Amino acid sequence: SQKIEQNSEALNIQEGKTATLTCNYTNYSPAYLQWYRQDPGRGPVFLLLIRENEKEKRKERLKVTFDTTLKQSLFHITASQPADSATYLCALGGGGGADGLTFGKGTHLIIQP
Amino acid sequence: DAGVIQSPRHEVTEMGQEVTLRCKPISGHNSLFWYRQTMMRGLELLIYFNNNVPIDDSGMPEDRFSAKMPNASFSTLKIQPSEPRDSAVYFCASSSLSGGAYGQYFGPGTRLTVT
Repeated sequence: SQKIEQNSEALNIQEGKTATLTCNYTNYSPAYLQWYRQDPGRGPVFLLLIRENEKEKRKERLKVTFDTTLKQSLFHITASQPADSATYLCALGGGGGADGLTFGKGTHLIIQP
Repeated sequence: DAGVIQSPRHEVTEMGQEVTLRCKPISGHNSLFWYRQTMMRGLELLIYFNNNVPIDDSGMPEDRFSAKMPNASFSTLKIQPSEPRDSAVYFCASSSLSGGAYGQYFGPGTRLTVT
């Protein structure tokens, strides 16, 4: 069955450093991968989408890489700030032409001042 | 834009009762998704619609769950009869064109508690 793994333990990073989150998947051939941010009591917020034929995508302080051979995506936040503290969800889609997303359980990121 | 609107925000009901959750997608979006989130299972896709037509309902847990989208601006998710294990946060999301190839925009969710 399809499986998406994100580090279930909280990730503590000092303010100003680069935070790197990992998303690994198995038994899936996604056409694209997305990253979302979720704050407590709120719905996920879309951040970035990267397609299977793209290696890297950037948006402001965010960078995503996608390695379909390793079946892995890395999500980087540079110059991290306490306001970046949240849970970050990885989601895969487009496998078999389907539009619905399969989400990982997320990694809780804590940026310490 | 008001974003995706869901109602009610909180629902507490007794086992066996019917529950109806409502969603208004972002205007102009033609893909709509229903998800359920629990601590144990994370965020799971229940069903999605393209242009008001149900495309994939394989995530609907059982026949007690049903969803409709009578028009482009409204969708419902109904649970009848409800059970304690249905307790979760239910999210509606919408997206333009072929939903997943673009980001999905989530509503604030409905927190359902079945006692």
